[in-house]
Amino acid sequence: DTEVTQTPKHLVMGMTNKKSLKCEQHMGHRAMYWYKQKAKKPPELMFVYSYEKLSINESVPSRFSPECPNSSLLNLHLHALQPEDSALYLCASRATGSYEQYFGPGTRLTVT
Amino acid sequence: ILNVEQSPQSLHVQEGDSTNFTCSFPSSNFYALHWYRWETAKSPEALFVMTLNGDEKKKGRISATLNTKEGYSYLYIKGSQPEDSATYLCASGPSGTYKYIFGTGTRLKVLA
Repeated sequence: DTEVTQTPKHLVMGMTNKKSLKCEQHMGHRAMYWYKQKAKKPPELMFVYSYEKLSINESVPSRFSPECPNSSLLNLHLHALQPEDSALYLCASRATGSYEQYFGPGTRLTVT
Repeated sequence: ILNVEQSPQSLHVQEGDSTNFTCSFPSSNFYALHWYRWETAKSPEALFVMTLNGDEKKKGRISATLNTKEGYSYLYIKGSQPEDSATYLCASGPSGTYKYIFGTGTRLKVLA
C-alpha cells in the first residue's frame, strides 16, 4: 500500500467554525508533512512531524493546530480561519532515510 | 539562486512533439532533486529523485538530467501524448531539517 489518503476532499467552512483535516498512511513512514498550496504558487510547508513529534512549525498562525496521534495518522485542526486561508492542503509522508515524499490528493478548503 | 524556479510556467505542445522544461535550484547544501507529475484532483506522483551530479534518469518517454554544480535539472518528454498533460513540479531537499523547497511548476497541455 503506497497510498496517502486525505479526507475530506472538499471542505467549506465559515470563519467561526471548527473543523479538522485528516491524513493517513500505512507505509510505516515516520515523517509526515502538511503543506498549503494557493493557485499558481508552490506548495508551502506548514508543519513536519518526525516520530510523532512536531519538528518544524513554519510560523503558522495558531488557528491551525496539527496533531499526530499515532504513526499512521496526521490531523490538522482548524478554528477561526480567514478567507485568505482558502487553499489546497496537502499531506505527505516520507520513510526514514529516504529522500522521497508520498503525497495525498489534498483537501480543497474554502473559508466563507 | 535562493529559491527553486521552473520555466516555462506553462506550455502547449502538439501530440507527438518532444519538449523539455527547466528547474533551477540552490547549488549549495544540495541533497536531492525531485520531479513530480501532478494531474488535477490527484496526488502529485513522484517521477524521479536524483542526487548525484550528472545523474540521468528515464521512465518510458520521460527522462531527466541533473547538474548540481550549476544548479539545474532538465525534464524531457519524447513524443508527447495527451495523457502527459499535467503540472510538472520540481523540488529540492530534504535538507537536514527535513524541508523541501518546491518550484511553481510547469503546466503542460498536449493537444491532440
